[in-house]
Amino acid sequence: NAGVTQTPKFQVLKTGQSMTLQCAQDMNHEYMSWYRQDPGMGLRLIHYSVGAGITDQGEVPNGYNVSRSTTEDFPLRLLSAAPSQTSVYFCASSSPAGNTIYFGEGSWLTVV
Amino acid sequence: DAKTTQPPSMDCAEGRAANLPCNHSTISGNEYVYWYRQIHSQGPQYIIHGLKNNETNEMASLIITEDRKSSTLILPHATLRDTAVYYCIVSTGTASKLTFGTGTRLQVTL
Repeated sequence: NAGVTQTPKFQVLKTGQSMTLQCAQDMNHEYMSWYRQDPGMGLRLIHYSVGAGITDQGEVPNGYNVSRSTTEDFPLRLLSAAPSQTSVYFCASSSPAGNTIYFGEGSWLTVV
Repeated sequence: DAKTTQPPSMDCAEGRAANLPCNHSTISGNEYVYWYRQIHSQGPQYIIHGLKNNETNEMASLIITEDRKSSTLILPHATLRDTAVYYCIVSTGTASKLTFGTGTRLQVTL
């Protein structure tokens, strides 16, 4: 049971480039979300989804797009990377009936 | 979601109980208290949650005051591997999204 899998684990981008962070879960969870964590701070919610085809914005959505075409996958797209998006990104999933959120191991992104 | 207040850091001797406090004075009736921890820069790990009754599992105990305005996470016998940042979060029970504060950095020492 892999849980929540994020790829890539490390990435360096140039300003203005675009990329997609991948997130997949094998627990058949309906809820998925993306967080970012800057140094010395707690996690902040970027976008979340309560089911396939349904997404909504979190606290810091600007500069990011998401889509949810399947239950298993929830990719996060950076449209035009900026140095302010240098951060660690965590994907998470949970079930509607459950009270536990499962997190991936994180993706370290540096924008130069 | 209600906000929480935690001390920024605490120390605990190995083998002793670690008691981590959290204030959540604006918690509403349908909000749970969750505790997560983050070791180094790994993904946060679920510890325990509760609504109004005290809870215990294999990792920790959660004590919630009768007015639900504060709670305490208890690690009964802290080890060096419990050194981490501990987050107290209040949220509705759907667990679709959580609001993290800056947490308490617990340092367990020999």
